[in-house]
Amino acid sequence: LAKTTQPISMDSYEGQEVNITCSHNNIATNDYITWYQQFPSQGPRFIIQGYKTKVTNEVASLFIPADRKSSTLSLPRVSLSDTAVYYCLVGDGNFNKFYFGSGTKLNVKP
Amino acid sequence: SAVISQKPSRDICQRGTSLTIQCQVDSQVTMMFWYRQQPGQSLTLIATANQGSEATYESGFVIDKFPISRPNLTFSTLTVSNMSPEDSSIYLCSVEGGTGGRNTEAFFGQGTRLTVV
Repeated sequence: LAKTTQPISMDSYEGQEVNITCSHNNIATNDYITWYQQFPSQGPRFIIQGYKTKVTNEVASLFIPADRKSSTLSLPRVSLSDTAVYYCLVGDGNFNKFYFGSGTKLNVKP
Repeated sequence: SAVISQKPSRDICQRGTSLTIQCQVDSQVTMMFWYRQQPGQSLTLIATANQGSEATYESGFVIDKFPISRPNLTFSTLTVSNMSPEDSSIYLCSVEGGTGGRNTEAFFGQGTRLTVV
């Protein structure tokens, strides 16, 4: 399974756009890229998933370059409530046997 | 989406004892997954539980220590056996999501916070 590498932590301020990049150099042809958010004392929550190019939903955008060796989660205009750990996962889209990396702890400041 | 209920939400146990964690899903699912999250760490997959077959364990996890049951398509249990303080963690149940031939996301329970003293 492709291993992912993310920054351990990031700081931001309310109202800013936050971009978290994940490296997955060994991604396989049939692997999808999925991002999860986890608040303290809660289970992870699905944010967004993509295969290539750009995916956007009501909470985030996911940018994937042509070589798919990295991806960037973009959170527009973050608020204090976006303070959480964000995990990038890569795996076969046929089932959700996910292997979590270290995640990025995002700290949003007022 | 799937709603997952885990019981207990937390427990404090004596070393050498065992604890069984229950996971109930509000819909039928083929695959259920158990994860462990040690304090301040990421999630580690323990095993995959399919109904009607034995669980498949990841490297570093064995059935004698973490026996799993999957009696039907909406329920599973994970037992942490002969506990030691190193087993103090959050244990999370997860199920596959999505429809059709490709699942798009996984749903997680709130977790069971276990402290072994």
